[in-house]
Amino acid sequence: QLQLQESGPGLVKPSETLSLTCTVSGGSISSSSYYWGWIRQSPGKGLEWIGNIYYSGGTYYNPSLKSRVTMSVDTSKNQFSLKLSSVTAADTAVYYCARWYTSDWYVDSWGQGTLVTVSS
Amino acid sequence: QSALTQPASVSGSPGQSITISCTGTSSDVGSYNLVSWYQHHPGKAPIVMIYEGTNRPSGVSDRFSGSKSGNTASLTISGLQAEDEADYYCCSFTGSSTWVFGGGTKLTVL
Repeated sequence: QLQLQESGPGLVKPSETLSLTCTVSGGSISSSSYYWGWIRQSPGKGLEWIGNIYYSGGTYYNPSLKSRVTMSVDTSKNQFSLKLSSVTAADTAVYYCARWYTSDWYVDSWGQGTLVTVSS
Repeated sequence: QSALTQPASVSGSPGQSITISCTGTSSDVGSYNLVSWYQHHPGKAPIVMIYEGTNRPSGVSDRFSGSKSGNTASLTISGLQAEDEADYYCCSFTGSSTWVFGGGTKLTVL
């Protein structure tokens, strides 16, 4: 049974960098059938796609966040990570890590989500 | 990259059918058959209900169906049940390996 688990600080100060890691268990992050990504939901708002990464390191980012987002993958640890720089209160959200099935292009597995609050 | 447009809320009585629309542009929904729909109960992880516009993953009830016309995709739920009450989100490919979600629709089963 595949499981994705987000981890990282729940509180980040404005202007600092938000860092989250997603640990994948029950499956290999190196599978060619999947992309791995981050999606967030701000309070009272809808889902927002942040970006995707392939196990080989190829990345694709939301154009509106591209200047602040960096994603990376560590296949030896079966983990991938998100860094979002220069955060503001608008970046307060529940952050989900997710697996995208590339044959049919949909998210077939989600983490439970982690709330990150940006506040001083 | 603007969010896809969904109605903020829809409602229906048990047994009825409802349809949720998802309007994009000729650059996303209108250009690709890569629209997926997700059911999201607050506090839980979302679940895919429809992929590639019309396909249902195994295990999803056939009461859920998807369609597309031009720049608008739709999710129809027939035979409404209490457990269908949730938030629903559409998602579309926008080209260049990027994606966009809709603003979400809150379904209330009366």
